[in-house]
Amino acid sequence: DTGVSQNPRHKITKRGQNVTFRCDPISEHNRLYWYRQTLGQGPEFLTYFQNEAQLEKSRLLSDRFSAERPKGSFSTLEIQRTEQGDSAMYLCASSLLGENNEQFFGPGTRLTVL
Amino acid sequence: ILNVEQSPQSLHVQEGDSTNFTCSFPSSNFYALHWYRWETAKSPEALFVMTLNGDEKKKGRISATLNTKEGYSYLYIKGSQPEDSATYLCAFTSYNTDKLIFGTGTRLQVFP
Repeated sequence: DTGVSQNPRHKITKRGQNVTFRCDPISEHNRLYWYRQTLGQGPEFLTYFQNEAQLEKSRLLSDRFSAERPKGSFSTLEIQRTEQGDSAMYLCASSLLGENNEQFFGPGTRLTVL
Repeated sequence: ILNVEQSPQSLHVQEGDSTNFTCSFPSSNFYALHWYRWETAKSPEALFVMTLNGDEKKKGRISATLNTKEGYSYLYIKGSQPEDSATYLCAFTSYNTDKLIFGTGTRLQVFP
């Protein structure tokens, strides 16, 4: 399967714990995006990378959230000291620069914070 | 504030019915309009990317139109099938950012 993959698919954690999610984009794609979707809403942008450079971060991304893409391939999203409000589906997408910015999504990681 | 709105929020139709949804978006600084289909437990699947005013795109029984001057797009499904049941999302991008700004989606259920 050469699509975008995300791990884990589901994560249940207790409030206050740290969690890390991984995204593996389509191999030739140089752009990688993180979005978050909560119940009843559309996905909301969190941040994106071009190669290893983080180019934009949403104001939604509090100091507890950090994302990296160290070698310009896979990316990790870490949430420190999780809160119940962090419960959501975290989606990753990748694209090629240009190409009308067509983004291809992974299946998401569903986070539940108890 | 860039706002994308979709209607209706949900739709229940019988197999064989044709249906359509609306997406409205800011008409200023428009770059592209994207439609996705998202089935439960799967990845959102890209259906169309449209950039030009008056664009019409078709994939099988699904088609979409775009009006950038008035800021709306329609998605049509002809002869709905149960496998069309999904949430249909539209998303807008502008010239000064590469992020997708999504609507809240239209949830379609097709009954046999």
